[in-house]
Amino acid sequence: NAGVTQTPKFRVLKTGQSMTLLCAQDMNHEYMYWYRQDPGMGLRLIHYSVGEGTTAKGEVPDGYNVSRLKKQNFLLGLESAAPSQTSVYFCASSYSKGLISPLHFGNGTRLTVT
Amino acid sequence: DQQVKQNSPSLSVQEGRISILNCDYTNSMFDYFLWYKKYPAEGPTFLISISSIKDKNEDGRFTVFLNKSAKHLSLHIVPSQPGDSAVYFCAARDTSNTGKLIFGQGTTLQVKP
Repeated sequence: NAGVTQTPKFRVLKTGQSMTLLCAQDMNHEYMYWYRQDPGMGLRLIHYSVGEGTTAKGEVPDGYNVSRLKKQNFLLGLESAAPSQTSVYFCASSYSKGLISPLHFGNGTRLTVT
Repeated sequence: DQQVKQNSPSLSVQEGRISILNCDYTNSMFDYFLWYKKYPAEGPTFLISISSIKDKNEDGRFTVFLNKSAKHLSLHIVPSQPGDSAVYFCAARDTSNTGKLIFGQGTTLQVKP
């Protein structure tokens, strides 16, 4: 009954370092999303995927890349981390776009870039 | 530009009273509106939704009202309970084929015993 699992839970990076955030869902959902949450800004969509092998840009895609090689996994990469990328990152998935299919969120990854 | 706005960062109410959380939007093309609830160190969880063709949806203690002419929606919680203390996010779905949601900034609700 895992739902959406994000790893790691916490990470501290130095400016310029790279890392990959992992998201896995076991609900056979087609759609997956990466959001970031910042104080006073709510949740902002970074990238999303409507199916295996597809990705698309959201509201704030700059500085991030994503891949969806397997249906159950959605990876978010930071090639050269910047302090502005300090945030809490949430992965989410949903069954379809059709009749409103609520997003299921993971518990987040807290990233600090120094 | 913020398409979905929650102008009250926080709200405090007494247990048993009504909590009213507000949300405004600017995009007339949104077709669904949702409310999510978030506890610390957890991801948001879906609470209730409303289609743009309706003006009210009720689920137990939670009711969402939609006023399309004013581009405004609100979440009513009656009666409020201490366990309702959380951050509440309003979200709107655009009518494209992706189902992606645009979120507001969130309102922190504190229900005092």
